[in-house]
Amino acid sequence: DAGVTQSPTHLIKTRGQQVTLRCSPKSGHDTVSWYQQALGQGPQFIFQYYEEEERQRGNFPDRFSGHQFPNYSSELNVNALLLGDSALYLCASSTGSGNTEAFFGQGTRLTVV
Amino acid sequence: EDQVTQSPEALRLQEGESSSLNCSYTVSGLRGLFWYRQDPGKGPEFLFTLYSAGEEKEKERLKATLTKKESFLHITAPKPEDSATYLCAVRTRGYNKLIFGAGTRLAVHP
Repeated sequence: DAGVTQSPTHLIKTRGQQVTLRCSPKSGHDTVSWYQQALGQGPQFIFQYYEEEERQRGNFPDRFSGHQFPNYSSELNVNALLLGDSALYLCASSTGSGNTEAFFGQGTRLTVV
Repeated sequence: EDQVTQSPEALRLQEGESSSLNCSYTVSGLRGLFWYRQDPGKGPEFLFTLYSAGEEKEKERLKATLTKKESFLHITAPKPEDSATYLCAVRTRGYNKLIFGAGTRLAVHP
């Protein structure tokens, strides 16, 4: 059973560029959440997608947007990249009830130069 | 505001030296407390979920407990392979997001 998979694993972008990160949830899961983790910090919630809609959003600017596809996979888009966007981006999948454990992918390490 | 605080920030143990990690929380209605293990550069690996005060869960050398204000992760006779960052997170009533603490970096030396 494949767990949560993310791509790419590493990415280097220049300030002002745009980036798209991808996530495939664990089999049987229909909800995808995205988190940003700065070095030495705990993950910070960006947003959650369920039934192809954004269900909940954290304290992140509109430069951060997402999408969920009918097969439950998801994308995270970040526009106008800033140096401060450099972080490990984590995708977590769970079921729509919201009362189950969230399983994380290995993350995408984004470096903005 | 919902908040999770973990202590200590870092812990160094000798192999076989048991200890506990603390996670204190202030939330408006707990819908679950979660423990994760995270290796450098990797995503968090799920360990335990606790839902109510008094609940305990065990897995190998790890045991998690929960009170109304905090949770403990007890590590018995740790081995070097237990070295990692241990993250605590809560899910609160009405929300599905996880609120994480900053983690405890554990180093176990032979």
